[in-house]
Amino acid sequence: QKEVEQNSGPLSVPEGAIASLNCTYSDRGSQSFFWYRQYSGKSPELIMFIYSNGDKEDGRFTAQLNKASQYVSLLIRDSQPSDSATYLCAGGPTGRRALTFGSGTRLQVQP
Amino acid sequence: ETGVTQSPTHLIKTRGQQVTLRCSSQSGHNTVSWYQQALGQGPQFIFQYYREEENGRGNFPPRFSGLQFPNYSSELNVNALELDDSALYLCASSLGWIQETQYFGPGTRLLVL
Repeated sequence: QKEVEQNSGPLSVPEGAIASLNCTYSDRGSQSFFWYRQYSGKSPELIMFIYSNGDKEDGRFTAQLNKASQYVSLLIRDSQPSDSATYLCAGGPTGRRALTFGSGTRLQVQP
Repeated sequence: ETGVTQSPTHLIKTRGQQVTLRCSSQSGHNTVSWYQQALGQGPQFIFQYYREEENGRGNFPPRFSGLQFPNYSSELNVNALELDDSALYLCASSLGWIQETQYFGPGTRLLVL
């Protein structure tokens, strides 16, 4: 079992819709979670991080963390074609040296 | 732009050769982590350097080695290249190893023939 699991997609949503990206993790010691966006041929770009249970909002993005269910999600409101990319979920317990990444979910926003 | 730079951007090597990849971290960041990303996969942790010392290592063989310099720039060296080493190599810098928000450079794409 992979430590961080994501559905590979593609997840296709129409422009203006809400895109919901999900991630589960197996290491209960994980304390912090990160969402990165990666365009084809480019490096990962940090979107948000979340440490506490609940929701965290930043512009059109909302990250949700449920440690009891070992579940992290990212909602993108008013999706735009420019949001089309692969979204990587990563986790890491405090003090751990590395981030553990999922394989990413490919999002396609249809104009 | 994250302020993290990597060189070269692309590299082609043949099996058995050695390669050195370079990374300059964001100003003020003293921790550098290296990742390997194969096509269609998420980045895999290779190792991390904090204040010039190796601070953690993933499941990579010893032919993957690194250095961090007093200015916190870093090198990744890979000896005896294998075909499976073909990947995007990413360097990420952070402000201390306790602060885990890591910012990635543009990466070096390595092709081993």
